[in-house]
Amino acid sequence: GAVVSQHPSWVICKSGTSVKIECRSLDFQATTMFWYRQFPKQSLMLMATSNEGSKATYEQGVEKDKFLINHASLTLSTLTVTSAHPEDSSFYICSAPAGGTYEQYFGPGTRLTVT
Amino acid sequence: GIQVEQSPPDLILQEGANSTLRCNFSDSVNNLQWFHQNPWGQLINLFYIPSGTKQNGRLSATTVATERYSLLYISSSQTTDSGVYFCAVEPVNAGNMLTFGGGTRLMVKP
Repeated sequence: GAVVSQHPSWVICKSGTSVKIECRSLDFQATTMFWYRQFPKQSLMLMATSNEGSKATYEQGVEKDKFLINHASLTLSTLTVTSAHPEDSSFYICSAPAGGTYEQYFGPGTRLTVT
Repeated sequence: GIQVEQSPPDLILQEGANSTLRCNFSDSVNNLQWFHQNPWGQLINLFYIPSGTKQNGRLSATTVATERYSLLYISSSQTTDSGVYFCAVEPVNAGNMLTFGGGTRLMVKP
């Protein structure tokens, strides 16, 4: 199957700082990637669709100025959490569709803690 | 938007037992996937199954698209099967976006 990586695996930052999370498709190209957020003991909620070479599409209720997404190449999308606050602490997961069926493959996730 | 409901929400099994997890969805879909989320949070692809039946070892899945449900069967469960099982669907005209169900939290006891 296709492989998606994320970096970092976990990060702790102080309130008010910004954090960048990278999502890479390692063995395939992805014109589209997706970013999800998962709170403890809850399901995954789609935050935004990252489109290579164009603006991201954000789900209702997700602040686009707070969660900046850049899809600079066919294998890399980045999510920057700007001016992070404790309520932004969560598990962030990216995915990308691959192959002719567009089956989705997920990265290992990034655990963000804002103190 | 589409609604995805999974049942049961929690399940405790004795090692060696069989189980069936259910996923109901409220509208037509292009894609349906089953995932296992391990204790470290990684989502592991189990099945890509918009329709029909597939088997992979002790796991099998069936999707009846016309009736809008899918079933995941786990036979001879092992402690390593513990974790959360998610069903996710891609509604028609959703551009590959997946909507997740609430998950089934499975614990297999030795």
